Amino acid sequence: GQNIDQPTEMTATEGAIVQINCTYQTSGFNGLFWYQQHAGEAPTFLSYNVLDGLEEKGRFSSFLSRSKGYSYLLLKELQMKDSASYLCAVRSQGAGGSYIPTFGRGTSLIVHP
Amino acid sequence: GAGVSQSPRYKVAKRGQDVALRCDPISGHVSLFWYQQALGQGPEFLTYFQNEAQLDKSGLPSDRFFAERPEGSVSTLKIQRTQQEDSAVYLCASSLGQGSTGELFFGEGSRLTVL
Repeated sequence: GQNIDQPTEMTATEGAIVQINCTYQTSGFNGLFWYQQHAGEAPTFLSYNVLDGLEEKGRFSSFLSRSKGYSYLLLKELQMKDSASYLCAVRSQGAGGSYIPTFGRGTSLIVHP
Repeated sequence: GAGVSQSPRYKVAKRGQDVALRCDPISGHVSLFWYQQALGQGPEFLTYFQNEAQLDKSGLPSDRFFAERPEGSVSTLKIQRTQQEDSAVYLCASSLGQGSTGELFFGEGSRLTVL
């Protein structure tokens, strides 16, 4: 089975940097995603890592260490609109042999002025 | 359409009623997923289609849940004899296929409330 762990809630100040961690245990790993979900809206794609290292995309960066089963999402120059839930999802081989993304419970980020 | 479309956006059902939730994926997307999201939780996998073939239904919580995608495009998730614990947002997501990044594009979801 899958075990994906991320903090329930984090708070940060506008303009600051925040790091959201995700640890996982799985077999047949085939990539890790980060999604952003505002309240009442659909999740939207932020990043994808399949190899170890850092992927940077504007104010957002995502890091993966496959040997440690660990990823983080780094958000720089925080804005109020970044207040949302951040979902870590691990893709691995499911029961039918297909690759299925499994989501963590999400980290609710609150950005204060 | 430009994105994944789901209907109805909101559904209130009496316990015991049957409901059908529709998903219209992005044109050309081979893969289609259904997830269930309870309040304050992450999406929980229900089932996966590749074109019209249902390749994984291991996440369906009971035999009251049934999904189909007969022509490899539109999909319907049906819940028979709804129970209060079925109250959740049902999210549909599509992607180009199992290759590449497999990025999921989500619909807005169908919020089901069972009274």
